[in-house]
Amino acid sequence: EVQLVESGGGLVQPGGSLRLSCTSSGFSFSSYSMNWVRQAPGKGLEWVSYISSGSTNIKYADSMKGRFTISRDNAKNSLYLQMNGLTDEDTAVYYCARESRGFSDCWGQGTLVTVTS
Amino acid sequence: EIVLTQSPATLSLSPGERATLSCRASQSVSNYLAWYQQKPGQAPRLLIYDASNRATGIPGRFSGSGSGTDFTLTISSLEPEDFAVYYCQQRSNWPPYTFGQGTKLEIK
Repeated sequence: EVQLVESGGGLVQPGGSLRLSCTSSGFSFSSYSMNWVRQAPGKGLEWVSYISSGSTNIKYADSMKGRFTISRDNAKNSLYLQMNGLTDEDTAVYYCARESRGFSDCWGQGTLVTVTS
Repeated sequence: EIVLTQSPATLSLSPGERATLSCRASQSVSNYLAWYQQKPGQAPRLLIYDASNRATGIPGRFSGSGSGTDFTLTISSLEPEDFAVYYCQQRSNWPPYTFGQGTKLEIK
């Protein structure tokens, strides 16, 4: 069974940092590009970042550039998102998603990040 | 950045009825458009990719059509489990990948 499990969310103060992880199973992780997508409470979906299978191509949404860093460890079947300089606008559920043909065909259950003082 | 506009914002229908959801792009995305379904407290699920291809395991009552700037998701006969929020997403001109704001399909 294809599975993605996020972790690392929680409460953080404005200006703080958090590192999210996504552990995969049931498929060849190293063969797939991956994305992070977030969803603020009661809002729609917002793409955050992309990383190719070999980490050679990395993209970010403009509002995350310079603050967020995506990475992966194919030996550990894991995806990461380092988030720095967090603001209350970053409060959201963060999903990792497997990419197939440019779309996300498998999603984790999400991890909630709450930025609050 | 390509903006996707979904309509209507909310659609109220009864089980057994036909649902038609719209997604309009601010510029052509060719056929590089997907549809997702999201139920409360759950992650999104891919329904349709490349405008008209059903993802693995998606029932035949879901169909997608369109190209360029105008796209439609049709659910031929609504089942109780189909009431959810639906999002479209484009991959034509990225970054960024962009999503529509969603259509809530609710029981009438």
